[in-house]
Amino acid sequence: GAVVSQHPSRVICKSGTSVKIECRSLDFQATTMFWYRQFPKKSLMLMATSNEGSKATYEQGVEKDKFLINHASLTLSTLTVTSAHPEDSSFYICSALRPGSDYNYGYTFGSGTRLTVV
Amino acid sequence: DAKTTQPNSMESNEEEPVHLPCNHSTISGTDYIHWYRQLPSQGPEYVIHGLTSNVNNRMASLAIAEDRKSSTLILHRATLRDAAVYYCILRAQGGKLIFGQGTELSVKP
Repeated sequence: GAVVSQHPSRVICKSGTSVKIECRSLDFQATTMFWYRQFPKKSLMLMATSNEGSKATYEQGVEKDKFLINHASLTLSTLTVTSAHPEDSSFYICSALRPGSDYNYGYTFGSGTRLTVV
Repeated sequence: DAKTTQPNSMESNEEEPVHLPCNHSTISGTDYIHWYRQLPSQGPEYVIHGLTSNVNNRMASLAIAEDRKSSTLILHRATLRDAAVYYCILRAQGGKLIFGQGTELSVKP
């Protein structure tokens, strides 16, 4: 089956620093990846859609300069939280869509990255 | 994106069936009904999906109302490992998955 790997699973960083989260599709090529964030006891909120080789499409209210998304290859998308602050502490989850697949089966989620900004 | 409404929480006893309801009165003709579940501190996991007809797979069954304005996810025999948040999502053709609030299912031994 399709596997999506996220790294790191947990990260603690100091306020003001930047953190990069990687999302890799291990056994398929993903032209489209999605990034979500999730606060405790809340649902997943879609942040952006990342397409290989082009700029990401951000959801309304998500700061593109704060959350930099790069999808430079068909197996890797990265989310960089720039100048992180405590309010950016959250659970970040990526999802990859297999190209050419039935959209109903094509979404595979990573296991998430818990970011804590101190 | 069309919206779904689910109860915030439900309880079940182990080994008993569970019926998780979802209302989606604004569903359009091309929206697929998806169910995902999320265990604590993990990414969501696909459960089942359907369009008009009822569906069965090894994990669950999906019963879709004739007018498609509601659906029910059925776990035939709940186990402790089924304790999770269950999300009912309407996926537009070729579209992204937008998660609602979901139902937190707890399973008592």
